[in-house]
Amino acid sequence: QSVLTQPPSVSGAPGQRVTISCTGSRSNIGAGYDVHWYQHLPGTAPKLLIYGNSNRPSGVPDRFSGSKSGTSASLAITGLQAEDEADYYCQSYDSSLSGEVFGTGTKVTVL
Amino acid sequence: QVQLMESGGGVVQPGRSLRLSCAASGFTFSRNGMHWVRQAPGKGLEWVAVISFDGNNKYYADSVKGRFTISRDNSKNTLYLQMNSLRAEDTAVYYCAKDTTIFGVAAYFDYWGQGTLVTVSS
Repeated sequence: QSVLTQPPSVSGAPGQRVTISCTGSRSNIGAGYDVHWYQHLPGTAPKLLIYGNSNRPSGVPDRFSGSKSGTSASLAITGLQAEDEADYYCQSYDSSLSGEVFGTGTKVTVL
Repeated sequence: QVQLMESGGGVVQPGRSLRLSCAASGFTFSRNGMHWVRQAPGKGLEWVAVISFDGNNKYYADSVKGRFTISRDNSKNTLYLQMNSLRAEDTAVYYCAKDTTIFGVAAYFDYWGQGTLVTVSS
């Protein structure tokens, strides 16, 4: 059972901007733990997109950006491209569970 | 370049055991915490377990606590997951993932393997 809630799906036309929310609680995001984001294509290894709430690893396009406020975080994709069609997951740490937790996952569809 | 290669998956009957391995290369294995993460068919990612750089600290998800054991052999650059008393709900692709810290707590995963499929079925 995921303790971080994401919308099941979001969609947008090429070039548009989409955002994915990640809602947690006072034992994870609200406790000050960082939020990280991953892109996952079925059958492949998940890829780190954003770490430490808003930092991009080298090689990740600046079309991807992250933010965090209170008990929630967001991933924004600007200039949406066909290759962005994938599943996206947020991740943080939960002090009540004493372990890492993932969001429910969001499927991004490029129309 | 960093590479993580899982192996050991397969079909196993409920109640039986299986051991997964993850061979690591391209970085100093003994300096990082390591994790197992799984994805059941049609479901999202679920964190399973973490082991610190030296193997002295281990933490588990409640869903596997008491049944699964994470371990590592730094001399062989290999991570393991011993899975006992397997259940149908353990059916999933199991990924090993590299941590960016030594203790593997409140961290993130900068590299992942391709995964190995475990199917628990009679």
